[in-house]
Amino acid sequence: GDSVTQMEGPVTLSEEAFLTINCTYTATGYPSLFWYVQYPGEGLQLLLKATKADDKGSNKGFEATYRKETTSFHLEKGSVQVSDSAVYFCALDSNYQLIWGAGTKLIIKP
Amino acid sequence: GAVVSQHPSRVICKSGTSVKIECRSLDFQATTMFWYRQFPKQSLMLMATSNEGSKATYEQGVEKDKFLINHASLTLSTLTVTSAHPEDSSFYICSATQDGFYEQYFGPGTRLTVT
Repeated sequence: GDSVTQMEGPVTLSEEAFLTINCTYTATGYPSLFWYVQYPGEGLQLLLKATKADDKGSNKGFEATYRKETTSFHLEKGSVQVSDSAVYFCALDSNYQLIWGAGTKLIIKP
Repeated sequence: GAVVSQHPSRVICKSGTSVKIECRSLDFQATTMFWYRQFPKQSLMLMATSNEGSKATYEQGVEKDKFLINHASLTLSTLTVTSAHPEDSSFYICSATQDGFYEQYFGPGTRLTVT
């Protein structure tokens, strides 16, 4: 079946460092891909999405490009802030149900 | 944008009692609602999918008699944890979709602690 694989965390970076969180997927058809973020003590928020190959989703300085050839949707940010500390989930839409990655905890140190 | 609320945000109950969690779509009609459970340091686990006016579809391994789901209207779904036990302590999150749209909108979650 469809699945999502994320890099394991926690990922610890210093402020202003470059961030990459890897996400790869297996799916039949052409799913939509998402990144969700969960800040400490809060629920999930949609961070960005891409609905077809080569689409780039972006929000709050984060970007991810839908790469069909490598079945990837890696999350990137050029300069992270302490406020970006959260858990990030990669997900794909499979027949109107979300398939989730395990989540990657990101810790940004000042 | 589409907003989903959950109530309560936190609840503490004693073992053996039942707890009801509400999920409401505030500004749209939610034809389908999903209930997730999130274990500490783990990803979300889909518990069940409910469509308005019909019985919920439970994922394998989820006890339907323990986790009662009602989707009585297009803006409200409830999850009742019956005869709660400490192992039911978790973070429960609902989401909702509009008819014809695939994007899910998430509630803020409910932290359940069973003592």
